[in-house]
Amino acid sequence: DVKVTQSSRYLVKRTGEKVFLECVQDMDHENMFWYRQDPGLGLRLIYFSYDVKMKEKGDIPEGYSVSREKKERFSLILESASTNQTSMYLCASSQGRFQLFFGEGSRLTVL
Amino acid sequence: GEDVEQSLFLSVREGDSSVINCTYTDSSSTYLYWYKQEPGAGLQLLTYIFSNMDMKQDQRLTVLLNKKDKHLSLRIADTQTGDSAIYFCAESLRGNTDKLIFGTGTRLQVFP
Repeated sequence: DVKVTQSSRYLVKRTGEKVFLECVQDMDHENMFWYRQDPGLGLRLIYFSYDVKMKEKGDIPEGYSVSREKKERFSLILESASTNQTSMYLCASSQGRFQLFFGEGSRLTVL
Repeated sequence: GEDVEQSLFLSVREGDSSVINCTYTDSSSTYLYWYKQEPGAGLQLLTYIFSNMDMKQDQRLTVLLNKKDKHLSLRIADTQTGDSAIYFCAESLRGNTDKLIFGTGTRLQVFP
């Protein structure tokens, strides 16, 4: 069974803290994505990666960075968390265009 | 520009048909998708349609595509309480096939 695992389901952080969200996939997929999901706004793409050590900005990259040192792992980093980054974060992977496989999400609250 | 729009809520009675609508603006879309998100879970692919098709049927699901109006719909026949979820339409763009643009999501509530 295909699996995308996000390390934390729920996190609570303070403004200014550094936050790491980890994502691991076991399908040997080339492509990995980070989205944030907000009510009424749907999913918005933050960053994506087509290969190890490769990254591309999505639609809302400001305030975020990513790291892909290994094929199976894609990390989202908030260098200095702010309250407007309170959201649900979804990681996904794919091999080609056809289907994205999503993790269960990480709900981040920034106080 | 790339924009995908859906209504936010739909409420139906169990056993009725549900129709979830989506409009998109980019005429170069190659594939269009419907994803389902159950409470507390990530998204799962429900069905998809190629842009050169008008209709696709898969058991209780029927997808209709009107390219002229850039309108996509998902019909769920005999809706069950287990169909309660958020449904997202998404498009992939020609020349950028691995990136999907998602709609705002429609929350479907099925009541007995």
